[in-house]
Amino acid sequence: DTEVTQTPKHLVMGMTNKKSLKCEQHMGHRAMYWYKQKAKKPPELMFVYSYEKLSINESVPSRFSPECPNSSLLNLHLHALQPEDSALYLCASSQEKTRQKSYEQYFGPGTRLTVT
Amino acid sequence: GQNIDQPTEMTATEGAIVQINCTYQTSGFNGLFWYQQHAGEAPTFLSYNVLDGLEEKGRFSSFLSRSKGYSYLLLKELQMKDSASYLCAVRRNFNKFYFGSGTKLNVKP
Repeated sequence: DTEVTQTPKHLVMGMTNKKSLKCEQHMGHRAMYWYKQKAKKPPELMFVYSYEKLSINESVPSRFSPECPNSSLLNLHLHALQPEDSALYLCASSQEKTRQKSYEQYFGPGTRLTVT
Repeated sequence: GQNIDQPTEMTATEGAIVQINCTYQTSGFNGLFWYQQHAGEAPTFLSYNVLDGLEEKGRFSSFLSRSKGYSYLLLKELQMKDSASYLCAVRRNFNKFYFGSGTKLNVKP
């Protein structure tokens, strides 16, 4: 199983709403990532979890709150978003790097978020 | 930020060979990855290099020169389904991946 799943596929929310994006993988990967991708732009790294601990926060506004409940699940909690936060949110996972090898990321299909 | 540069767009003919270049400047380099992304879909992994030289995977090959901060992706025997965006991504220390803006490849009959 080399699949990363994300729910929901599409989400429309108002600026006062609270919602959550979910991501799941069963490949035994211990690194999990959130990316934001605007149209015709590359994915931008937001957060990285390593062994269920937050290891990287790329100066993301606090209205985005990540959570890693266990080694298979990754959530992104959303609150008081702005219209400019509308984008495709991608989750990815990978094995942790070893001395000999670096590992590729597997991406989920993404959640297309629209903030109204 | 990261300085990762790729050509914006390229056009090639079905059956031909195309080379997509990527240059980068970064510290803590831990590998360079190539991904394919079709419009509206997630990126899928193609190839990676962490040491200098050529890595071959079927119709796709990737080359890296760390001293020059340069990589390329070579696609052989182009097919129409290869029309997509190709992203190079640099991995830095601690699982930090940064993507170039992508090269949109148009394959024509």
